[in-house]
Amino acid sequence: EAGVTQFPSHSVIEKGQTVTLRCDPISGHDNLYWYRRVMGKEIKFLLHFVKESKQDESGMPNNRFLAERTGGTYSTLKVQPAELEDSGVYFCASSQTLGGTAFFGQGTRLTVV
Amino acid sequence: AQTVTQSQPEMSVQEAETVTLSCTYDTSESDYYLFWYKQPPSRQMILVIRQEAYKQQNATENRFSVNFQKAAKSFSLKISDSQLGDAAMYFCAYRSYQSNSGYALNFGKGTSLLVTP
Repeated sequence: EAGVTQFPSHSVIEKGQTVTLRCDPISGHDNLYWYRRVMGKEIKFLLHFVKESKQDESGMPNNRFLAERTGGTYSTLKVQPAELEDSGVYFCASSQTLGGTAFFGQGTRLTVV
Repeated sequence: AQTVTQSQPEMSVQEAETVTLSCTYDTSESDYYLFWYKQPPSRQMILVIRQEAYKQQNATENRFSVNFQKAAKSFSLKISDSQLGDAAMYFCAYRSYQSNSGYALNFGKGTSLLVTP
C-alpha cells in the first residue's frame, strides 16, 4: 500500500512567484493535515481537512496560503505570492480516523530566493 | 498553547549502545497523547511510539521505550542496542485529548541522532 506522497520533493522559486504543493494521502484516509517546518524551528500545524472540508485552519499564516482538497482525495497548498520567510519543509500527513495515527509524507522542501 | 521542548539538538551513540533523548512539555490538560516520530534523511517521518497520558505504564516498541513522568511533564525516549538505521531526526509531539482542541500535533524542534560504528 502506498504511503503519503508529496510532490515535488524540492522547489526553488523566486520571491513573488507562485508555487503549488501537492499531497496524496493514503487511500481511504479522510483526514489530511499540512504542517511546515521553518529552518531551526518546530514543525508547525497549518490546517486539517476532513474529506473536502476544512476542519481546522488555525495554523495558516496568512492569506497568501490557499489549501484545497477538491473531491476529498489529494490536496494542494498554493503559496501566492511567495515570500522569503515561506522557505521551509512542508509536510503532509493523513489519518484514517479523527485522532488516529498520522502517517507523514517525506515533505516538500521549498526555497524562496 | 502547549509547548514541547527538546533540549538536545544533536546526540551521538555508538552501535549497540543505549541512548536517551529528552522531551519536556507544558500543558494544563490532564488527558493528552505524546508521540515520538523519527525522520531518516530524505525519507518519510514515521511514528516510533505513542503514549496515552492516562496510562501509567510506559509504552514500549521493541528496542524503543519511553520514560513518561506525568508530574514532571517529561517524556524521554530510550533506544537500546542502537543500530545504524536508527540515525535520524527524532521529534517529540503532543496532542490534546479533547476534540474541541483540534487534532493538530505540537512538535518540538527535534533531536538529530548520529549512530557511529
